[in-house]
Amino acid sequence: DTEVTQTPKHLVMGMTNKKSLKCEQHMGHRAMYWYKQKAKKPPELMFVYSYEKLSINESVPSRFSPECPNSSLLNLHLHALQPEDSALYLCASSQLSWTTSGPDTQYFGPGTRLTVL
Amino acid sequence: AQRVTQPEKLLSVFKGAPVELKCNYSYSGSPELFWYVQYSRQRLQLLLRHISRESIKGFTADLNKGETSFHLKKPFAQEEDSAMYYCALSGDGTASKLTFGTGTRLQVTL
Repeated sequence: DTEVTQTPKHLVMGMTNKKSLKCEQHMGHRAMYWYKQKAKKPPELMFVYSYEKLSINESVPSRFSPECPNSSLLNLHLHALQPEDSALYLCASSQLSWTTSGPDTQYFGPGTRLTVL
Repeated sequence: AQRVTQPEKLLSVFKGAPVELKCNYSYSGSPELFWYVQYSRQRLQLLLRHISRESIKGFTADLNKGETSFHLKKPFAQEEDSAMYYCALSGDGTASKLTFGTGTRLQVTL
C-alpha cells in the first residue's frame, strides 16, 4: 500500500459538535503531518508527529487536537470550531531521514473537506 | 524564517511552447526544494526535488543558490501539464516544516 488515506471525504459540522478526522498510511513512515488548505491558497502546516510524538505545533488553536495512536494512524479531533475553520484538511507522511540528504518527500492524502456551519 | 515566492498566479502557454514557472526562496540554512503538482480533482503529489536531480514528465528544476531560485522548466508544454504547481521548501531537520509558495496555475491551450 503506497497511499495515504483520509476519512471522511466530506464533513459538515455545527459549532458545538465534536468530530474527528482520520488519516492512515502503511508505508512505514515515521513522520506524519496535518495541513490546512483554504480555497485557492497553499497548504499551511498545522502539526508534525515524529515517532508518534508531537514535534511541531504551528500555534494552532486548542479546538484542534491531534493524536497519533500508532505509527500508521493520525487523528485530528475537532471541537467548538468556527465557520472560518472550514477548509480542506490534508494529511501527509514521510520517512525520517538521518542522512545529509535532508528531509524526505512528503506524501499527501486526498484530504477531508470540512464545512463548519 | 523560511519563505517561498511564486510571482505568477496564472501562466498561460500554447501547446508546444516552453514553460518556466518561477520560484524564489528565503532561508538562512541549507534548504531542500520541491515542486508539487495538483491536477484537477487529484491529490497533491511530488513532481521533483532538487536533490534527486531527476527529470519528471519532461520537467527539470535547478537550484541556484546565488539567486535563491528553483525555477521549473519544460521545453515543450503538453495539454496534460495543465495543473496547479507549488514550489515548497523544507528546512534542516528530519521531520521539518514544509513551506509552500502561493502556487502557479499553468494553463496549456491548443
